Amino acid sequence: DAGVIQSPRHEVTEMGQEVTLRCKPISGHNSLFWYRQTMMRGLELLIYFNNNVPIDDSGMPEDRFSAKMPNASFSTLKIQPSEPRDSAVYFCASRTIGASGANVLTFGAGSRLTVL
Amino acid sequence: AQSVSQHNHHVILSEAASLELGCNYSYGGTVNLFWYVQYPGQHLQLLLKYFSGDPLVKGIKGFEAEFIKSKFSFNLRKPSVQWSDTAEYFCAVSGPFGNEKLTFGTGTRLTIIP
Repeated sequence: DAGVIQSPRHEVTEMGQEVTLRCKPISGHNSLFWYRQTMMRGLELLIYFNNNVPIDDSGMPEDRFSAKMPNASFSTLKIQPSEPRDSAVYFCASRTIGASGANVLTFGAGSRLTVL
Repeated sequence: AQSVSQHNHHVILSEAASLELGCNYSYGGTVNLFWYVQYPGQHLQLLLKYFSGDPLVKGIKGFEAEFIKSKFSFNLRKPSVQWSDTAEYFCAVSGPFGNEKLTFGTGTRLTIIP
């Protein structure tokens, strides 16, 4: 298994531009998370999906952020327009929903975003 | 709302020293608890987890953690650290059901001096 695949690994963009981050979860996993990592705030949960349905998006900073999961094998996180304070590493993680004991996430390598 | 506090932001130890990283959580009910580790340049990976049963949990690479319900704590320990333990360590909490979210702490950076 190739694991959770994220792209791009690095993105440098200018303020005001649209940024799209992509994630392919592990095949067979039916739950997907987006986290943002910064020095100041650690790992913040942005949104998570169960069976392609957004369950909790309360961590999405503002309307500039949106996330979709059109099918079980693909998700996007979009920032439009981007701002310098969005600079962070964005992680995608997936899991299989099951009984207690299965609540373990597998993380991707992350997408490092720099907004100038 | 659930939350996790990791009070140690950066810990520096010499090799062979003993380690204890603090983790306190806030959650009104039965919990699942985790420690994840992020080695330099690598993915976050699971170090150990607690779901039920014995509150002393053993993980990979000689790490262990103890769930103390009365203190809402899940501290990570290792009796003798190695240089290769240099990494960032994250504590996380979730509810007991497999469809719930995981909330992470801000992380503790551990630096081991050879």
